[in-house]
Amino acid sequence: AQKVTQAQTEISVVEKEDVTLDCVYETRDTTYYLFWYKQPPSGELVFLIRRNSFDEQNEISGRYSWNFQKSTSSFNFTITASQVVDSAVYFCALSEEQDTGRRALTFGSGTRLQVQP
Amino acid sequence: KAGVTQTPRYLIKTRGQQVTLSCSPISGHRSVSWYQQTPGQGLQFLFEYFSETQRNKGNFPGRFSGRQFSNSRSEMNVSTLELGDSALYLCASSQLANSYNEQFFGPGTRLTVL
Repeated sequence: AQKVTQAQTEISVVEKEDVTLDCVYETRDTTYYLFWYKQPPSGELVFLIRRNSFDEQNEISGRYSWNFQKSTSSFNFTITASQVVDSAVYFCALSEEQDTGRRALTFGSGTRLQVQP
Repeated sequence: KAGVTQTPRYLIKTRGQQVTLSCSPISGHRSVSWYQQTPGQGLQFLFEYFSETQRNKGNFPGRFSGRQFSNSRSEMNVSTLELGDSALYLCASSQLANSYNEQFFGPGTRLTVL
Protein backbone atom coordinates (compact mmCIF):
# COMPACT_ATOMS: atom_id res chain seq x y z
CA ALA A 1 0.00 0.00 0.00
CA GLN A 2 1.19 3.44 -0.75
CA LYS A 3 0.79 6.28 1.65
CA VAL A 4 1.87 9.88 1.91
CA THR A 5 1.71 11.72 5.22
CA GLN A 6 1.81 15.45 5.64
CA ALA A 7 1.46 15.82 9.37
CA GLN A 8 1.28 19.62 9.33
CA THR A 9 -2.28 20.59 8.52
CA GLU A 10 -1.71 24.32 8.66
CA ILE A 11 1.31 26.55 9.17
CA SER A 12 1.27 30.28 9.70
CA VAL A 13 4.42 32.37 9.39
CA VAL A 14 5.29 36.01 9.04
CA GLU A 15 6.77 37.23 5.79
CA LYS A 16 10.52 36.63 5.42
CA GLU A 17 10.52 33.68 7.79
CA ASP A 18 11.80 30.34 6.53
CA VAL A 19 9.35 27.46 6.64
CA THR A 20 9.69 23.71 6.10
CA LEU A 21 6.85 21.49 4.99
CA ASP A 22 7.23 17.85 5.93
CA CYS A 23 6.37 14.83 3.82
CA VAL A 24 6.81 11.19 4.84
CA TYR A 25 5.95 8.37 2.47
CA GLU A 26 5.57 4.61 2.53
CA THR A 27 6.19 2.34 -0.42
CA ARG A 28 7.38 -1.17 -1.19
CA ASP A 29 8.69 -0.18 -4.59
CA THR A 30 12.37 0.34 -5.21
CA THR A 31 11.55 2.64 -8.11
CA TYR A 32 9.17 5.46 -7.38
CA TYR A 33 8.74 9.17 -7.92
CA LEU A 34 7.93 11.97 -5.53
CA PHE A 35 6.36 15.29 -6.33
CA TRP A 36 5.41 18.56 -4.75
CA TYR A 37 2.49 20.60 -6.01
CA LYS A 38 1.18 24.00 -4.96
CA GLN A 39 -2.52 24.80 -4.96
CA PRO A 40 -3.24 28.54 -4.71
CA PRO A 41 -6.76 29.79 -3.93
CA SER A 42 -7.60 29.64 -7.62
CA GLY A 43 -7.61 25.85 -7.30
CA GLU A 44 -5.20 24.88 -10.05
CA LEU A 45 -2.40 22.55 -8.94
CA VAL A 46 1.00 23.86 -9.94
CA PHE A 47 3.89 21.44 -10.38
CA LEU A 48 6.96 22.33 -8.32
CA ILE A 49 9.35 19.40 -8.45
CA ARG A 50 9.74 15.72 -9.29
CA ARG A 51 12.36 13.44 -7.76
CA ASN A 52 12.99 9.78 -8.55
CA SER A 53 13.98 7.28 -5.91
CA PHE A 54 17.53 6.96 -7.20
CA ASP A 55 18.33 10.64 -6.97
CA GLU A 56 18.90 11.77 -3.41
CA GLN A 57 20.57 15.03 -4.29
CA ASN A 58 18.99 18.01 -2.67
CA GLU A 59 17.59 20.57 -5.04
CA ILE A 60 17.41 24.32 -4.82
CA SER A 61 15.34 26.55 -7.06
CA GLY A 62 15.39 30.16 -6.03
CA ARG A 63 13.79 30.40 -2.60
CA TYR A 64 12.64 26.77 -2.76
CA SER A 65 14.68 23.78 -1.70
CA TRP A 66 13.95 20.11 -1.27
CA ASN A 67 15.56 17.54 1.01
CA PHE A 68 15.05 13.91 -0.04
CA GLN A 69 16.17 11.26 2.44
CA LYS A 70 15.44 7.63 1.59
CA SER A 71 16.71 6.48 4.97
CA THR A 72 13.83 8.26 6.69
CA SER A 73 11.39 8.10 3.75
CA SER A 74 11.05 11.85 3.78
CA PHE A 75 10.88 14.49 1.09
CA ASN A 76 10.72 17.85 2.83
CA PHE A 77 10.21 21.23 1.20
CA THR A 78 11.68 24.48 2.50
CA ILE A 79 10.72 28.00 1.49
CA THR A 80 13.33 30.57 2.39
CA ALA A 81 12.31 34.15 3.10
CA SER A 82 8.63 33.40 2.62
CA GLN A 83 6.38 35.87 0.83
CA VAL A 84 2.65 36.48 0.95
CA VAL A 85 2.36 35.00 -2.55
CA ASP A 86 3.57 31.69 -1.15
CA SER A 87 0.27 31.32 0.70
CA ALA A 88 -1.33 28.18 -0.69
CA VAL A 89 -1.94 24.53 0.03
CA TYR A 90 1.08 22.38 -0.73
CA PHE A 91 0.74 18.73 -1.63
CA CYS A 92 3.34 16.02 -1.59
CA ALA A 93 2.60 13.08 -3.91
CA LEU A 94 4.01 9.63 -4.60
CA SER A 95 3.88 7.77 -7.88
CA GLU A 96 4.39 4.06 -7.71
CA GLU A 97 3.24 0.97 -9.52
CA GLN A 98 -0.13 -0.36 -8.43
CA ASP A 99 -1.55 -3.87 -8.55
CA THR A 100 -2.80 -3.03 -12.01
CA GLY A 101 0.79 -2.73 -13.16
CA ARG A 102 0.19 0.90 -13.87
CA ARG A 103 1.38 3.89 -11.92
CA ALA A 104 -0.87 6.35 -10.15
CA LEU A 105 -0.33 9.40 -7.99
CA THR A 106 -1.18 9.25 -4.31
CA PHE A 107 -1.39 12.66 -2.68
CA GLY A 108 -0.85 13.63 0.90
CA SER A 109 -3.58 15.57 2.69
CA GLY A 110 -1.82 18.84 2.07
CA THR A 111 -0.36 21.58 4.25
CA ARG A 112 -2.01 24.98 4.19
CA LEU A 113 0.63 27.70 4.42
CA GLN A 114 -0.44 31.18 5.45
CA VAL A 115 2.20 33.88 5.12
CA GLN A 116 1.23 37.02 7.00
CA PRO A 117 2.56 40.39 5.88
CA LYS B 1 1.05 27.14 -25.17
CA ALA B 2 -2.42 27.19 -23.73
CA GLY B 3 -2.81 25.31 -20.48
CA VAL B 4 -5.25 22.60 -19.55
CA THR B 5 -8.81 23.84 -19.81
CA GLN B 6 -11.84 22.42 -18.08
CA THR B 7 -15.48 23.17 -18.68
CA PRO B 8 -17.69 24.07 -17.05
CA ARG B 9 -15.96 25.67 -14.08
CA TYR B 10 -19.00 25.39 -11.83
CA LEU B 11 -21.95 23.06 -11.91
CA ILE B 12 -24.95 22.51 -9.68
CA LYS B 13 -26.95 19.33 -10.00
CA THR B 14 -29.47 17.42 -7.92
CA ARG B 15 -29.27 13.90 -6.62
CA GLY B 16 -29.99 11.25 -9.20
CA GLN B 17 -28.98 13.37 -12.16
CA GLN B 18 -25.96 12.71 -14.30
CA VAL B 19 -23.18 15.08 -15.29
CA THR B 20 -20.48 15.30 -17.94
CA LEU B 21 -17.28 17.25 -17.42
CA SER B 22 -14.85 18.15 -20.15
CA CYS B 23 -11.09 18.53 -20.26
CA SER B 24 -8.84 19.78 -23.06
CA PRO B 25 -5.19 18.91 -22.49
CA ILE B 26 -2.18 20.94 -23.47
CA SER B 27 -1.53 20.64 -27.17
CA GLY B 28 0.64 17.59 -27.86
CA HIS B 29 -0.20 15.89 -24.58
CA ARG B 30 -1.75 12.48 -25.04
CA SER B 31 -2.33 11.45 -21.45
CA VAL B 32 -5.22 12.78 -19.40
CA SER B 33 -5.86 11.92 -15.78
CA TRP B 34 -8.80 12.83 -13.58
CA TYR B 35 -8.80 13.44 -9.84
CA GLN B 36 -11.50 14.14 -7.29
CA GLN B 37 -10.75 16.56 -4.47
CA THR B 38 -12.95 16.72 -1.37
CA PRO B 39 -12.31 18.14 2.11
CA GLY B 40 -12.78 14.70 3.65
CA GLN B 41 -10.93 12.41 1.25
CA GLY B 42 -8.46 14.84 -0.23
CA LEU B 43 -7.14 14.32 -3.75
CA GLN B 44 -7.96 10.92 -5.18
CA PHE B 45 -7.09 9.42 -8.54
CA LEU B 46 -10.07 8.55 -10.71
CA PHE B 47 -8.64 7.32 -14.01
CA GLU B 48 -6.06 7.89 -16.70
CA TYR B 49 -6.55 7.85 -20.46
CA PHE B 50 -3.91 7.60 -23.13
CA SER B 51 -4.54 7.39 -26.85
CA GLU B 52 -8.26 6.90 -26.29
CA THR B 53 -7.73 3.95 -23.95
CA GLN B 54 -8.25 3.82 -20.22
CA ARG B 55 -4.88 2.81 -18.81
CA ASN B 56 -5.60 2.93 -15.14
CA LYS B 57 -8.53 3.33 -12.79
CA GLY B 58 -8.77 4.32 -9.17
CA ASN B 59 -11.06 2.89 -6.56
CA PHE B 60 -14.32 4.54 -7.54
CA PRO B 61 -17.73 2.98 -8.29
CA GLY B 62 -18.87 2.28 -11.81
CA ARG B 63 -21.00 5.44 -11.77
CA PHE B 64 -17.79 7.25 -12.62
CA SER B 65 -16.70 6.76 -16.19
CA GLY B 66 -14.71 8.57 -18.79
CA ARG B 67 -13.49 8.56 -22.32
CA GLN B 68 -10.90 10.18 -24.49
CA PHE B 69 -11.28 11.33 -28.04
CA SER B 70 -8.83 11.17 -30.93
CA ASN B 71 -7.81 14.79 -30.31
CA SER B 72 -6.90 13.81 -26.70
CA ARG B 73 -9.79 15.77 -25.23
CA SER B 74 -11.42 13.86 -22.42
CA GLU B 75 -14.76 13.73 -20.72
CA MET B 76 -15.78 12.18 -17.47
CA ASN B 77 -19.32 11.24 -16.59
CA VAL B 78 -20.94 10.66 -13.24
CA SER B 79 -24.34 9.01 -13.28
CA THR B 80 -26.94 8.86 -10.53
CA LEU B 81 -25.32 11.66 -8.59
CA GLU B 82 -25.05 11.42 -4.83
CA LEU B 83 -24.48 14.19 -2.30
CA GLY B 84 -20.99 12.82 -1.67
CA ASP B 85 -20.03 13.45 -5.28
CA SER B 86 -19.83 17.16 -4.52
CA ALA B 87 -16.17 17.95 -5.15
CA LEU B 88 -13.60 19.73 -7.21
CA TYR B 89 -12.79 17.56 -10.22
CA LEU B 90 -9.32 18.16 -11.59
CA CYS B 91 -7.97 17.10 -14.91
CA ALA B 92 -4.25 16.77 -15.60
CA SER B 93 -2.38 16.20 -18.82
CA SER B 94 1.10 14.96 -19.63
CA GLN B 95 2.99 14.11 -22.76
CA LEU B 96 3.42 10.46 -21.95
CA ALA B 97 1.43 7.90 -20.06
CA ASN B 98 2.21 6.96 -16.47
CA SER B 99 1.99 9.25 -13.54
CA TYR B 100 5.72 9.51 -13.01
CA ASN B 101 5.72 12.15 -15.67
CA GLU B 102 5.15 15.76 -14.81
CA GLN B 103 1.42 16.43 -14.92
CA PHE B 104 -0.14 19.79 -15.68
CA PHE B 105 -3.44 20.49 -14.00
CA GLY B 106 -6.44 22.46 -15.10
CA PRO B 107 -8.41 24.85 -12.87
CA GLY B 108 -11.00 22.20 -12.08
CA THR B 109 -14.76 21.90 -12.23
CA ARG B 110 -16.52 22.47 -8.94
CA LEU B 111 -19.56 20.21 -8.78
CA THR B 112 -22.24 20.76 -6.17
CA VAL B 113 -24.90 18.10 -5.74
CA LEU B 114 -28.05 19.22 -3.93
